Amino acid sequence: KQEVTQIPAALSVPEGENLVLNCSFTDSAIYNLQWFRQDPGKGLTSLLLIQSSQREQTSGRLNASLDKSSGRSTLYIAASQPGDSATYLCAVVGSNYKLTFGKGTLLTVNP
Amino acid sequence: NAGVMQNPRHLVRRRGQEARLRCSPVKGHSHVYWYRQLPEEGLKFMVYLQKENIIDESGMPKERFSAEFPKEGPSILRIQQVVRGDSAAYFCASSGDSLNTEAFFGQGTRLTVV
Repeated sequence: KQEVTQIPAALSVPEGENLVLNCSFTDSAIYNLQWFRQDPGKGLTSLLLIQSSQREQTSGRLNASLDKSSGRSTLYIAASQPGDSATYLCAVVGSNYKLTFGKGTLLTVNP
Repeated sequence: NAGVMQNPRHLVRRRGQEARLRCSPVKGHSHVYWYRQLPEEGLKFMVYLQKENIIDESGMPKERFSAEFPKEGPSILRIQQVVRGDSAAYFCASSGDSLNTEAFFGQGTRLTVV
């Protein structure tokens, strides 16, 4: 059974700092990994999709890496802004098409 | 091209009533997933459907809960005889036929049972 763990559970940083969020998964037989953002009371917004054959993906100030063999992914956020404050969720997809989520990292960027 | 549309956004039901949650996937997507989220908890998988078929319902309670994704129309998550413990946010997601396509989520339906 796939299990996804996200560390830390919460993170508070001053504006402008670069930061890294971590995601690990127990079964390395994944097809892809997605990072999402969720604002309070809202749905999930897809940030980045990394296919299993890829090592990283970049979108603006976000960079996600994937080390499939070790079961790890990181989400790097450069020059953080207060608007980046949200819960960040990592999810992996296996051959059963099902998304398995971690519990998320609650990020607070202080002005 | 609209994203995943869920309605209603908020639903209040009295104990014992039925709740019907609707989800229209992204146009062209044939895979639909339902997740439940409780306050301070993560997203819990409930059911995965393809057109007219339930593929995996391992996360859905055996009683009172059912889901469908008909050939025409939205996917429906139905909760019969709701209880207070059913109060949660219910999210729907859709994806395309390839295992490497991105999944998109709706804004959720927040069910409150009073």
